[in-house]
Amino acid sequence: GAGVSQSPSNKVTEKGKDVELRCDPISGHTALYWYRQSLGQGLEFLIYFQGNSAPDKSGLPSDRFSAERTGGSVSTLTIQRTQQEDSAVYLCASSLDSGRSYNEQFFGPGTRLTVL
Amino acid sequence: SQKIEQNSEALNIQEGKTATLTCNYTNYSPAYLQWYRQDPGRGPVFLLLIRENEKEKRKERLKVTFDTTLKQSLFHITASQPADSATYLCALRRTGRRALTFGSGTRLQVQP
Repeated sequence: GAGVSQSPSNKVTEKGKDVELRCDPISGHTALYWYRQSLGQGLEFLIYFQGNSAPDKSGLPSDRFSAERTGGSVSTLTIQRTQQEDSAVYLCASSLDSGRSYNEQFFGPGTRLTVL
Repeated sequence: SQKIEQNSEALNIQEGKTATLTCNYTNYSPAYLQWYRQDPGRGPVFLLLIRENEKEKRKERLKVTFDTTLKQSLFHITASQPADSATYLCALRRTGRRALTFGSGTRLQVQP
């Protein structure tokens, strides 16, 4: 089937505005991850969802960031009162994670967020 | 603190040669290590996984080694091709967490 999809592919917003980024994982994948990647940098873990368990939010940089995963499928990452340092590519990944923690992650193409 | 280090300088090699990329880590006791490839404007793509009890793993022209004593993994591409030009990332599972921590990646440029 289709891979991980993300929307929008690009988002330009003004400082102080809220943004919502969407991720559609691969059907049947129980685990979903959000990362962000600043220019020339590695991936920074943000949040992880696994089935019905409480999400691992340990990577969220501030309380302006939040994420939801509805019905165990689609996820939205919300950034409130955006700041210029939030500008980055936001990547979503999903995996089978059927109790074995080493399953490969499948990444979407990312959303490039630019905060002016 | 836990760190994953990859050479931030780009690696330039001639087509046909073997490319070797390094991933060093500190304060991890990983059960496994993963390597991903990332092309510009795209998300990373999984290449190989190696477990702590495996010294070496191969897949076609790719070879990964894992030395838990040295806390190092080496990633080799033999008979490199210009199409292998990309950024290569290593990743470890964070202690006590299920999410991966990625190195910053090494950019490989294979010259024809």
